[in-house]
Amino acid sequence: AQSVTQPDIHITVSEGASLELRCNYSYGATPYLFWYVQSPGQGLQLLLKYFSGDTLVQGIKGFEAEFKRSQSSFNLRKPSVHWSDAAEYFCAVGSGGTASKLTFGTGTRLQVTL
Amino acid sequence: DTAVSQTPKYLVTQMGNDKSIKCEQNLGHDTMYWYKQDSKKFLKIMFSYNNKELIINETVPNRFSPKSPDKAHLNLHINSLELGDSAVYFCASSQGGVGNQPQHFGDGTRLSIL
Repeated sequence: AQSVTQPDIHITVSEGASLELRCNYSYGATPYLFWYVQSPGQGLQLLLKYFSGDTLVQGIKGFEAEFKRSQSSFNLRKPSVHWSDAAEYFCAVGSGGTASKLTFGTGTRLQVTL
Repeated sequence: DTAVSQTPKYLVTQMGNDKSIKCEQNLGHDTMYWYKQDSKKFLKIMFSYNNKELIINETVPNRFSPKSPDKAHLNLHINSLELGDSAVYFCASSQGGVGNQPQHFGDGTRLSIL
């Protein structure tokens, strides 16, 4: 069965500092990996995705993530955080086939201090 | 234009009542989903429909009955509501039922059971 672990429940960074959110997955085949962001009272917005190819993927809002098969990780990074980045971040792994679904991690809440 | 829209945004009701949540997508996708987000922000898939056919049913109590009248709509009816049903319910859609297609989410319906 597929699963996702986000070890950090809550992270606080200063505005302008760099950010890395950790994500580890478990999946038997080549994974389809996603990062979503959820602002308070909002739905989930896709930040970036990895399907195959280049292991460093660029997303919206200046985010990037690196797929490391040997570590079963897909960590999200941003070089300089803005106060508007404060939100809940979810890593997810997608299964293939007809009955596909997303399995989410428990999320990491990002707080940004000014 | 809203891509995935859910109504209502908030739903407050008493135990034992029956309620419905509606979802519509204007993205032309053929697959739609219902997810439940609990009070700890954990997101779990409930159902998935592809071309109006149920393809995923994740051990959800049969008090929950999804209905897809066409590819653009997926409604969720809940009978005999219980306290544990309090959560945020998200509708999502994607093109194709394979795991490598990003899912687009609605803003959620916050259901509160008194």
